[in-house]
Amino acid sequence: NAGVTQTPKFRVLKTGQSMTLLCAQDMNHEYMYWYRQDPGMGLRLIHYSVGEGTTAKGEVPDGYNVSRLKKQNFLLGLESAAPSQTSVYFCASSYSREGHEQYFGPGTRLTVT
Amino acid sequence: GEDVEQSLFLSVREGDSSVINCTYTDSSSTYLYWYKQEPGAGLQLLTYIFSNMDMKQDQRLTVLLNKKDKHLSLRIADTQTGDSAIYFCAEGYSSASKIIFGSGTRLSIRP
Repeated sequence: NAGVTQTPKFRVLKTGQSMTLLCAQDMNHEYMYWYRQDPGMGLRLIHYSVGEGTTAKGEVPDGYNVSRLKKQNFLLGLESAAPSQTSVYFCASSYSREGHEQYFGPGTRLTVT
Repeated sequence: GEDVEQSLFLSVREGDSSVINCTYTDSSSTYLYWYKQEPGAGLQLLTYIFSNMDMKQDQRLTVLLNKKDKHLSLRIADTQTGDSAIYFCAEGYSSASKIIFGSGTRLSIRP
């Protein structure tokens, strides 16, 4: 039981490049989330999903797209990376509507130059 | 709107109690959480309290909730070096699938 895994762990992009971050969970959770963590700002919700095939915008969705084609996977895409997207990205999943006991992945550190 | 605030740093001596404080603005939240983040890792849920409770104790952890002042605290008794981490306060809602996180308090332990 691996829990929540994220790939890659680190990535450096040039401005304008695109990439996809992959999150996978093996706990059969319905709900999945993408956050970004910046110094002194805590975690901010980018997008989330309440089930396979559904996605919704969070607090800071601009510049990101997501897809949930399979229940266990939640993909975060950057179509044209900008330096402002330099951050640590965390994926999380939960089984309850209330969202408590979110299980977090180890994070992806992304630098955009 | 929804806002959760914490002080950024706390330093305590090993063996003392640590008290991490948090204030929030939205009284409609259903749950209040404390998450712990160790270096290089994701967040882990430490404990949570329903908004209709005043206190919850779990081994070395005590959570106090003052609904009138919208103030939440986490007390760690007998603080150990392994407690060094960033602690996030967060509030959650039964009507929405999201949690609002504070900016985190970095707890450091002095020998």
